[in-house]
Amino acid sequence: SAVISQKPSRDICQRGTSLTIQCQVDSQVTMMFWYRQQPGQSLTLIATANQGSEATYESGFVIDKFPISRPNLTFSTLTVSNMSPEDSSIYLCSARPYSTAGTGELFFGEGSRLTVL
Amino acid sequence: SQKIEQNSEALNIQEGKTATLTCNYTNYSPAYLQWYRQDPGRGPVFLLLIRENEKEKRKERLKVTFDTTLKQSLFHITASQPADSATYLCALPQNTGGFKTIFGAGTRLFVKA
Repeated sequence: SAVISQKPSRDICQRGTSLTIQCQVDSQVTMMFWYRQQPGQSLTLIATANQGSEATYESGFVIDKFPISRPNLTFSTLTVSNMSPEDSSIYLCSARPYSTAGTGELFFGEGSRLTVL
Repeated sequence: SQKIEQNSEALNIQEGKTATLTCNYTNYSPAYLQWYRQDPGRGPVFLLLIRENEKEKRKERLKVTFDTTLKQSLFHITASQPADSATYLCALPQNTGGFKTIFGAGTRLFVKA
């Protein structure tokens, strides 16, 4: 299993600013992902955080807007850049430990709720 | 691309009854299908996985079925309790053989005492 800590848990931000969300896993994991969940909606995959290399982004998400780092096997950051009210959402970090590589089971952080004014 | 459909209407049931939630997918048949539970303000928590060659899987009061002909999974909670009230999400690999996971919108379950 894996325990994932995210911070901040919530924040209120001004339009045009940027915020970095941190994700720490208590064990080494194979894959780390970032999802976005807008109110009442499902999870949308933003990108796969690749250790030591550039993240792989899904359609509709770009590196300039959502730069991601993953310097090691247990830590990743997501930055939401030049925020607008449309970026108000819950951002979730998830990870797949080596132990669940065969089942694809994902573990999630508690999420970071961002409100952009 | 793969699409997942879950009943967006909330399901209200009486304590002790069986809750049945539906997940339909539209494209390729995945190698496996997962169910997660999400409580308000929390991240999803993995419940069960069923593989394409399995018709049914059980875990305590939970039962999942997988019909690749109908492209459908049913998720049952027997002897439901108010503590089972949550949103239940169906999830699949994004692509055949892929390692990314996509989620349905979820069905909100309310169990009344």
